[in-house]
Amino acid sequence: GAVVSQHPSRVICKSGTSVKIECRSLDFQATTMFWYRQFPKKSLMLMATSNEGSKATYEQGVEKDKFLINHASLTLSTLTVTSAHPEDSSFYICSAVRGAGNSPLHFGNGTRLTVT
Amino acid sequence: KQEVTQIPAALSVPEGENLVLNCSFTDSAIYNLQWFRQDPGKGLTSLLLIQSSQREQTSGRLNASLDKSSGRSTLYIAASQPGDSATYLCAVMGGANSKLTFGKGITLSVRP
Repeated sequence: GAVVSQHPSRVICKSGTSVKIECRSLDFQATTMFWYRQFPKKSLMLMATSNEGSKATYEQGVEKDKFLINHASLTLSTLTVTSAHPEDSSFYICSAVRGAGNSPLHFGNGTRLTVT
Repeated sequence: KQEVTQIPAALSVPEGENLVLNCSFTDSAIYNLQWFRQDPGKGLTSLLLIQSSQREQTSGRLNASLDKSSGRSTLYIAASQPGDSATYLCAVMGGANSKLTFGKGITLSVRP
């Protein structure tokens, strides 16, 4: 089956530093990847849509200069949280679409970011 | 703006019980609806995807139904097991490869 790998699973960083999270599709080419943020007891919030070879499309209210997304290949998208603050602490999850149309989304296992 | 609601937020049942998880959405113009499972601290696992033209999908002990006109979907779990304990999320897609709108999920606990 399709597998999406997300790394790291947990990261602790200090305020002001940057953190990069990787999302890889292991056995298929993902033309589109999505980055979500999940707060406790809340819905997943879509942050941005990442298309291979083009700029990411950010949702309203998401700072594109703070959350840098790069989708350099059909199997890798990265999310970099720049100048992290404690309020950026959250669970970040990526997902990838295999093909088009009515294809289910495949999710990574998420990254727990804690900013101290 | 699409809104997805899942009530109740939590459910506890004894092992062996058949149960139904509900999902409602406000905009019936959907492309598909998906049910996911999320274990604590983990990502999401896709359980079932129902296309807008379909009424239900089945996989093992799981059956998902879709009533687009009324904006409802149900996930039926037969003969529940402790291993079914997890959070179940419902999500709707508005158009081909458009974003998913998620509900907050239902946290299910199946007691041995």
